Amino acid sequence: ELKVEQNPLFLSMQEGKNYTIYCNYSTTSDRLYWYRQDPGKSLESLFVLLSNGAVKQEGRLMASLDTKARLSTLHITAAVHDLSATYFCAVDSNYGGSQGNLIFGKGTKLSVKP
Amino acid sequence: DTEVTQTPKHLVMGMTNKKSLKCEQHMGHRAMYWYKQKAKKPPELMFVYSYEKLSINESVPSRFSPECPNSSLLNLHLHALQPEDSALYLCASSQEGYSLEQFFGPGTRLTVL
Repeated sequence: ELKVEQNPLFLSMQEGKNYTIYCNYSTTSDRLYWYRQDPGKSLESLFVLLSNGAVKQEGRLMASLDTKARLSTLHITAAVHDLSATYFCAVDSNYGGSQGNLIFGKGTKLSVKP
Repeated sequence: DTEVTQTPKHLVMGMTNKKSLKCEQHMGHRAMYWYKQKAKKPPELMFVYSYEKLSINESVPSRFSPECPNSSLLNLHLHALQPEDSALYLCASSQEGYSLEQFFGPGTRLTVL
């Protein structure tokens, strides 16, 4: 059974600081996704990582995937208040298939303070 | 059109009611999904439709009944729900292919009294 673990679950940052959120998963998969969710809202797709060594960047966020270590990271550079949200990683449990059965981590609630 | 739409946005129902949630996308996606999300928890997959056929049913109680009338529409029929079924119900869609990036609708906030 695929398990996805995120840490930390809560993160309080000061504006301008850097930090990394970690996502570990327990079985082989080379499709990993990062989503953002604002309170009371739906999920917004941030990154799709499809191969070992994949790195993607959008603004102050950068995501990477190491399939051998079964680890993805979401790095935040020079945080701003607008980044405050809950961030989920999700792993496709049907490796080699095409079912899109995503298993989500518990989420990291990020709060960026002045 | 790059949106997934869901109606209604909010729904309050009694345990004896029958109601339906509706999801629509016009991105040409051939896979559609229903998720349930409780407060402060991650989304949990309920159903997957691929090419209008049910391909995954994650052991969901029969009081939830999905329906995919065509490739753009997905319904979730609700009957005899329990208070613990109160949650945010999210619909998503994705293209076929390797990426399978899922795009989520705004959700329906369901309260069962």
